[in-house]
Amino acid sequence: GQNIDQPTEMTATEGAIVQINCTYQTSGFNGLFWYQQHAGEAPTFLSYNVLDGLEEKGRFSSFLSRSKGYSYLLLKELQMKDSASYLCAVGDTGFQKLVFGTGTRLLVSP
Amino acid sequence: DAGITQSPRYKITETGRQVTLMCHQTWSHSYMFWYRQDLGHGLRLIYYSAAADITDKGEVPDGYVVSRSKTENFPLTLESATRSQTSVYFCASTDPDSNQPQHFGDGTRLSIL
Repeated sequence: GQNIDQPTEMTATEGAIVQINCTYQTSGFNGLFWYQQHAGEAPTFLSYNVLDGLEEKGRFSSFLSRSKGYSYLLLKELQMKDSASYLCAVGDTGFQKLVFGTGTRLLVSP
Repeated sequence: DAGITQSPRYKITETGRQVTLMCHQTWSHSYMFWYRQDLGHGLRLIYYSAAADITDKGEVPDGYVVSRSKTENFPLTLESATRSQTSVYFCASTDPDSNQPQHFGDGTRLSIL
């Protein structure tokens, strides 16, 4: 079966650091993706991890541990525009099919 | 303009009616996908297509029909709409040969009364 868990909602303050966790149990694994989705908009790609370790991209970093079925997205120097939902997705059969978690809604306050 | 476009952006219809959601991409991506997004469920795959004339079911295909006669188009049809199909529908595409992530259209918000 496919199971991807992430917190429903998180709050943080502008300028702070926040970590959004994602745990997964899937029948196949071909990488872990993070997408950002602002309210009423399309998901946009943030990061992709296929090997264990940390991938850094500006203010955003993503970490993967395949043995633990665990990933996190780290957002530094939070800005108001980072208020959005963050979707964790696992590449299932091949790179092409994705299984999504229910998303974490992040609210950044001044 | 290059990209992936969905139409209409908003649609209201009645139960029992047939409705078709359109998706068009200009990247010549081989793979295209249809998802629905509902509160508490996240994005769920309805159907996908690996190439023209090749389609396959996803997690929630019942009540939906797709076709892919041309690489650039991937319409989704609800043959007899039901209230449970009220949702936001996203189309996406990717090119596996270039290791690209899936790119999403802006979505269609569909309400069935």
